[in-house]
Amino acid sequence: DTVLTQSPTLAVSPGERITISCRASESVHTRMHWYQQKPGQQPKLLIYGASYLESGVPARFSGSGSGTDFTLTIDPVEATDTATYFCQQSWNDWTFGGGTKLELK
Amino acid sequence: QVQLQQSGAELVKPGSSVKISCKASGYRFTSYDMHWLKQQPGNGLEWIGWISPGNGKTKYNQKFNGKAIFTADKSSSTAYMQFSSLTSEDSAVYFCAIGGGNFDHWGQGVMVTVSS
Repeated sequence: DTVLTQSPTLAVSPGERITISCRASESVHTRMHWYQQKPGQQPKLLIYGASYLESGVPARFSGSGSGTDFTLTIDPVEATDTATYFCQQSWNDWTFGGGTKLELK
Repeated sequence: QVQLQQSGAELVKPGSSVKISCKASGYRFTSYDMHWLKQQPGNGLEWIGWISPGNGKTKYNQKFNGKAIFTADKSSSTAYMQFSSLTSEDSAVYFCAIGGGNFDHWGQGVMVTVSS
């Protein structure tokens, strides 16, 4: 299995720029996608193909990376961005990172 | 608009089976593989597998081989997942989802609780 590793938590202040990282145990090329999940809800697709913004998602969200190292950037962070963010790869079947919980200071 | 409507929460006994459904609307049911995913409280997501509703072809995550069985009813645009020999480790929220490599549409999730 392709293992995806994310930092577990991040605490930020509204208005800041943040980056959430995801490292893959092997190359997934650009088959990396990012989701936002709020408590009690299903995940919501934010970024697909490493850097493509899903329709309807604010331009404050962006993604970058290829191979094994990927980043989700939120700039600027808003209070409504409090959630858990997951990366997911689709190069070798489908696996997800453990999630990064974004908390506001 | 695309909607995936899942069945309601289940409370089941250890050793039993459960069958949950995912009714699709707003798109051609046979055009997209239906994926199933598992999420335990506080944990990440696990991909269980997919079914191609058009021809019934399936693929399972090796971890869930023999545990999960997918079916699809084209007449009602509904996909099903049956989970057998349930243990406490199977207590989780189960989602259906469609997309290409990514999942751009999800069901609301079904909470399955395994308890005696």
